[in-house]
Amino acid sequence: GAVVSQHPSRVICKSGTSVKIECRSLDFQATTMFWYRQFPKQSLMLMATSNEGSKATYEQGVEKDKFLINHASLTLSTLTVTSAHPEDSSFYICSARGGFYEQYFGPGTRLTVT
Amino acid sequence: AQKVTQAQTEISVVEKEDVTLDCVYETRDTTYYLFWYKQPPSGELVFLIRRNSFDEQNEISGRYSWNFQKSTSSFNFTITASQVVDSAVYFCALSESGTSYGKLTFGQGTILTVHP
Repeated sequence: GAVVSQHPSRVICKSGTSVKIECRSLDFQATTMFWYRQFPKQSLMLMATSNEGSKATYEQGVEKDKFLINHASLTLSTLTVTSAHPEDSSFYICSARGGFYEQYFGPGTRLTVT
Repeated sequence: AQKVTQAQTEISVVEKEDVTLDCVYETRDTTYYLFWYKQPPSGELVFLIRRNSFDEQNEISGRYSWNFQKSTSSFNFTITASQVVDSAVYFCALSESGTSYGKLTFGQGTILTVHP
């Protein structure tokens, strides 16, 4: 089946620094990608919808200036956590929508902010 | 607004027992999609099934089966003869159709532990 990759799989950064997470569709073009966040022992919450070539749409309560999303090509979307703090530590998962009713999840990125 | 409820936070069974995970959803859409995902400790989501709102046929895949009932807005998942490898967190999710397809609302998840 289709594959979506995320890089890095794990990252540890210091408080105040920025971290970029990449989400790539490896064998299909994804006009739309979604970013989810999962705190420990909790469910996945949609953060934003990313459309190629346009601004991302953020869910209510998600700070767009803190979580910068760029979808510059049909195979790559990036999420940058700016000025990260310990409360941003979480599991971030992307999904990519390919053909008309196809979507695939990436393996996730575990962010730890110290 | 869409909502998915998985009332069972944790379930513990002994191997070979059958177990049913409940999922109840709310949506105003007439066309929608329902999913079940498995999340092992690695965190990666494993796709199990997708159902659209017009297909109420129950489905069986090996030891897994799903019961979709629009009348009660439920999409329950049964594992027959459970195995230790089934231990994971299971999520039920709901998606709109059309241009919003793939924008998932997840339930709270059910932690399934299968003891040997």
